[in-house]
Amino acid sequence: NAGVTQTPKFQVLKTGQSMTLQCAQDMNHEYMSWYRQDPGMGLRLIHYSVGAGITDQGEVPNGYNVSRSTTEDFPLRLLSAAPSQTSVYFCASRGGTGATETQYFGPGTRLLVL
Amino acid sequence: AQSVTQLGSHVSVSEGALVLLRCNYSSSVPPYLFWYVQYPNQGLQLLLKYTTGATLVKGINGFEAEFKKSETSFHLTKPSAHMSDAAEYFCAVSDWNAGNNRKLIWGLGTSLAVNP
Repeated sequence: NAGVTQTPKFQVLKTGQSMTLQCAQDMNHEYMSWYRQDPGMGLRLIHYSVGAGITDQGEVPNGYNVSRSTTEDFPLRLLSAAPSQTSVYFCASRGGTGATETQYFGPGTRLLVL
Repeated sequence: AQSVTQLGSHVSVSEGALVLLRCNYSSSVPPYLFWYVQYPNQGLQLLLKYTTGATLVKGINGFEAEFKKSETSFHLTKPSAHMSDAAEYFCAVSDWNAGNNRKLIWGLGTSLAVNP
């Protein structure tokens, strides 16, 4: 299993540009999520999905869109990038229930918005 | 609502010394508690977790944590630090009673430095 994969690893955007961060998992997990990580602010949930066709907002959803057309893929779209979106973005999927429940993280995408 | 507080954003220890990273939580229901580790320029990796049962939980790389309900704590320890333990450590609690929409509530993280 490749686990959770993310592309690209690095990206530089200009203010106003759009882009899509890709995330895929091969563990057949229903739950997937996107976080952003900023210094001193820990991990903040952007959007999450409990299955194909179902998405919901996390604590910092503004400026981001998501869709979940398949179990495997959960892309994150920035429609009009702003410098405040400079961050490291992590995708995660969750497997198991109760005592076996674990979240698996991708390697991250470092985004710089100029 | 659940919340997590990690005391000390930066901790520095000498190689071979005890590692103690503190985590306190608030939860209105019996919590599921987690410690994750993030090595430089990598994603997060599960270190250990408490769900039910034994309150002393052992994880990877010699780490362990003890769930203390009376103190609402889940401190992470390792008897002897190694240089390779230098990383960012995150404590998290799950709002498991939210059903399928349950999420992890994260602490702000503690950066561990290990000095030779």
